[in-house]
Amino acid sequence: EVQLLESGGGLVQPGGSLRLSCAASGFTFSTYAMSWVRQAPGKGLEWVSAISTSGDATYDADSVRGRFTISRDNSKNTLYLQMNSLRAEDTAVYYCATLLGWVVPDYWGQGTLVTVSS
Amino acid sequence: DIVMTQTPLSSPVTLGQPASISCRSSQSLVHSDGNTYLSWLQQRPGQPPRLLIYKISNRFSGVPDRFSGSGAGTDFTLKISRVEAEDVGVYYCMQATQLWTFGQGTKVEIK
Repeated sequence: EVQLLESGGGLVQPGGSLRLSCAASGFTFSTYAMSWVRQAPGKGLEWVSAISTSGDATYDADSVRGRFTISRDNSKNTLYLQMNSLRAEDTAVYYCATLLGWVVPDYWGQGTLVTVSS
Repeated sequence: DIVMTQTPLSSPVTLGQPASISCRSSQSLVHSDGNTYLSWLQQRPGQPPRLLIYKISNRFSGVPDRFSGSGAGTDFTLKISRVEAEDVGVYYCMQATQLWTFGQGTKVEIK
């Protein structure tokens, strides 16, 4: 059974940093591109970042480019999102999701809540 | 950037009756490889999103056959042949032809 378990969310002040993790199991992690998608309270889904199977290619939404960094450790079956210079508008539930062939968002985690507030 | 526009934003339906959601993209979703990377996701209340349909019309593993997808180019449709109580939630279209973009979401609720 595919499982994605996000962690690392919490309350952080504006300008602060946070590192999210997504532990994967039940599939061959190194063969899947991965992504982070967020959902602000009561709002829709917003794609944040994506990373290739080996980690040598990454893409970021304009809203987070230069502040967030996606990475992965295939030896640990774990995806990361380093979030710096956090703003109130980054408040959201952050989901990790697999991206089969870069194009099919087939499995999703339960999400972790990030709240940016003073 | 490709913009995805869904209609309606809210759809009250009677149990057992059909429901239909439209999704229009600001440009063609036909990829240079010939495929069209349009997916539909369901998000039940309090749950993460779940993949229903990929590449316009392919049902994902475990998805009931009352869900179907159709369309081409810039216009796509998700249909539920007979709505059940467990279908309540928000439905999103998502394109992956040029990076990734979601529609605003359509809330399906029971009348």
